[in-house]
Amino acid sequence: NAGVTQTPKFQVLKTGQSMTLQCAQDMNHNSMYWYRQDPGMGLRLIYYSASEGTTDKGEVPNGYNVSRLNKREFSLRLESAAPSQTSVYFCASCGVGTGSGQETQYFGPGTRLLVL
Amino acid sequence: GENVEQHPSTLSVQEGDSAVIKCTYSDSASNYFPWYKQELGKRPQLIIDIRSNVGEKKDQRIAVTLNKTAKHFSLHITETQPEDSAVYFCAASSISGGYQKVTFGIGTKLQVIP
Repeated sequence: NAGVTQTPKFQVLKTGQSMTLQCAQDMNHNSMYWYRQDPGMGLRLIYYSASEGTTDKGEVPNGYNVSRLNKREFSLRLESAAPSQTSVYFCASCGVGTGSGQETQYFGPGTRLLVL
Repeated sequence: GENVEQHPSTLSVQEGDSAVIKCTYSDSASNYFPWYKQELGKRPQLIIDIRSNVGEKKDQRIAVTLNKTAKHFSLHITETQPEDSAVYFCAASSISGGYQKVTFGIGTKLQVIP
């Protein structure tokens, strides 16, 4: 049981380049999330997917797109990277439901992105 | 929307002393309050959580209290150890439209001085 996995761990891009961050979970969770973490800003929600086939914008969606490929996988795409997108990106999943503990979010190891 | 404020932003304590981190929230619909610990270069990991029908919860050296009326909750760490040094995040959440809506505080950097 690997939990939540992310690839790559680290990436350097030039301004204008595109890339996709991959995330997968093996906990059979319905909900998945993408956050970015910047110093002094905490964790800010970019996009989320309440269930397979649905995606919605979070607090800071501009410059990003997402795909919920299936129940396990949720990818984040930067179409034209900008220096302001330099950050650490975390994927998370949650088995939201009625049971105790279902609301806990489990985070992946993160992707450090540097845009030059 | 929900707004979570967290204080202090940094906290230094001597080993063995207690540490307290406080958070306030604005949305009365929030009913689940997790706390995460993030060590340098690592992912946030849940250390304790509390639901709105409970006023206090303890797990060894860690405790969380919740005051729903005042909309604030706190993390208490007793007998601090150097390995407690990390960034701690509070969060307030509720179920909305079939997904868990979570708002995080900006984090508290705790340094435990040996």
